[in-house]
Amino acid sequence: NAGVTQTPKFRVLKTGQSMTLLCAQDMNHEYMYWYRQDPGMGLRLIHYSVGEGTTAKGEVPDGYNVSRLKKQNFLLGLESAAPSQTSVYFCASSYVKDSSYEQYFGPGTRLTVT
Amino acid sequence: KNQVEQSPQSLIILEGKNCTLQCNYTVSPFSNLRWYKQDTGRGPVSLTIMTFSENTKSNGRYTATLDADTKQSSLHITASQLSDSASYICVVSYFGNEKLTFGTGTRLTIIP
Repeated sequence: NAGVTQTPKFRVLKTGQSMTLLCAQDMNHEYMYWYRQDPGMGLRLIHYSVGEGTTAKGEVPDGYNVSRLKKQNFLLGLESAAPSQTSVYFCASSYVKDSSYEQYFGPGTRLTVT
Repeated sequence: KNQVEQSPQSLIILEGKNCTLQCNYTVSPFSNLRWYKQDTGRGPVSLTIMTFSENTKSNGRYTATLDADTKQSSLHITASQLSDSASYICVVSYFGNEKLTFGTGTRLTIIP
């Protein structure tokens, strides 16, 4: 099993450009998440999904959109990138096991917006 | 506001020595507490998960403790190895909720 994979690993955007980050998991997990990690801050939840076709806002959703058309994929979109969105983005997935919601993380995407 | 605070921010120890990392939280109602290890340039990897009824859990050389009354947790690393150099993140979840509150982590460096 590949676990959780993310595409691309690195990306540089100019302000105003758009892009989509792809997350894929092969563990048949119901739940998927997008986080951002910034220096000196804990991971913050952007959006999440509790099942195919469902999405919900997290702690910092502004400027991002998501889609979960297939159970194994969770896409994060930036419609008009801003320098404040420079960050490392992590995708995670989880299943409910003894209510622990164990989360498995991908390797991350480093995004720079100039 | 639900918060997770970790100390120290960074720690440097000699290979083979033991160390203890601290985590205080204010998340309520509390469901479980996790410790993650994050190597540089990689995603976090789970080390332990403890519910409110557990007060200690081990994973090899890693032992986590939890005091739900004082809302404190610690991660003890025994006989440190160079591969233990990483950030260790304390994460707390709300009862019945899949969302997590992350601490900012302790950056641990093991030197030979």
